Amino acid sequence: QKEVEQNSGPLSVPEGAIASLNCTYSDRGSQSFFWYRQYSGKSPELIMFIYSNGDKEDGRFTAQLNKASQYVSLLIRDSQPSDSATYLCAVERGSSNTGKLIFGQGTTLQVKP
Amino acid sequence: KAGVTQTPRYLIKTRGQQVTLSCSPISGHRSVSWYQQTPGQGLQFLFEYFSETQRNKGNFPGRFSGRQFSNSRSEMNVSTLELGDSALYLCASSPGTEGTEAFFGQGTRLTVV
Repeated sequence: QKEVEQNSGPLSVPEGAIASLNCTYSDRGSQSFFWYRQYSGKSPELIMFIYSNGDKEDGRFTAQLNKASQYVSLLIRDSQPSDSATYLCAVERGSSNTGKLIFGQGTTLQVKP
Repeated sequence: KAGVTQTPRYLIKTRGQQVTLSCSPISGHRSVSWYQQTPGQGLQFLFEYFSETQRNKGNFPGRFSGRQFSNSRSEMNVSTLELGDSALYLCASSPGTEGTEAFFGQGTRLTVV
């Protein structure tokens, strides 16, 4: 079992729809969770982080964390073609401030005009 | 505020050679992490430095090493290069004390021939 698992996709949604990206992790001690967006040929860009159970909203993005189920998700509302990218879920290994992030393989999102 | 700067952007090396990559973190950030990204394995953690000390290490052979200087700049060295070392090497900068919101540089694309 991989430490951080994501569906590789591609996930295809029409423009204006809600895109839902999911991630599960195996280490129950993990405290910090991150979502990165990576465009083809570019480096990952941090778009959201969440530390507490529940929802965290930032513009069109909402991160959801359920530690009991070891599940993190990212919702993108009003999806735009410019959101087409690979979304990487990352979990900080062990306690916080270790600087060690474990990444999932990423989910490719395609937003069709 | 300047971002994370990695040099060089591209490198071509021959098997058996060694290579040194450089990373300048965001001003004020004391933690620098290094990652290897390949199509097959995704993003994998190499090591993390905080205040000139290696704080965490991933599962890579001893040919991969690093160091951090007093100004937080970091270097990564790979000795006795193998074809499988061809990858995008990414450096990530974070404060190191208040969470691991890591910001990536543009990466160094290493090709071993």
